Amino acid sequence: SQTIHQWPATLVQPVGSPLSLECTVEGTSNPNLYWYRQAAGRGLQLLFYSVGIGQISSEVPQNLSASRPQDRQFILSSKKLLLSDSGFYLCAWASGSNGELFFGEGSRLTVL
Amino acid sequence: AQSVSQHNHHVILSEAASLELGCNYSYGGTVNLFWYVQYPGQHLQLLLKYFSGDPLVKGIKGFEAEFIKSKFSFNLRKPSVQWSDTAEYFCARNYGGSQGNLIFGKGTKLSVKP
Repeated sequence: SQTIHQWPATLVQPVGSPLSLECTVEGTSNPNLYWYRQAAGRGLQLLFYSVGIGQISSEVPQNLSASRPQDRQFILSSKKLLLSDSGFYLCAWASGSNGELFFGEGSRLTVL
Repeated sequence: AQSVSQHNHHVILSEAASLELGCNYSYGGTVNLFWYVQYPGQHLQLLLKYFSGDPLVKGIKGFEAEFIKSKFSFNLRKPSVQWSDTAEYFCARNYGGSQGNLIFGKGTKLSVKP
């Protein structure tokens, strides 16, 4: 069966520091991968998606970037964090052609 | 631009009460609709989905939702809630880009009193 893992689960970083959140999927090949951000009272917002290695699409302009160095690995990064980057970040992969998403456990980022 | 609206921010019910959470989606393109649930301390998981066919869809744990095209609605229902249904519920629909590009509502927090 397919599994998805994110780490770290919790991260506290100072403003201006770099960020790297990792996500890996097991049990499937060539998945579509996604990074969403969940903010309290604001639902989930799609940040990036990837349909293959090295292919990244950005949905909103921001201070973050994403990379997909391997088929089942998706990384969310920043060179210099802002206070507004604080939030709960969710990695997901899509099953089938109709968009059902399977989410990871999430990574809570606090920027101080 | 596509959008999803959830009308209730926080719903408080007693056990055995009936539940209906509202969701309206914007018109446009092929509509795939979802309800996701996030139990306290757990990750988001799919409750049910609608792609086509019978507009009344049944999901896990006794939940169901009805797709009403004329009202652009996809309300979530459960005849009798339990304390264990306490969670946050998100409605979502697809939009362009790739198959997993979903736009989510802001979520409805459900608190069930024992």
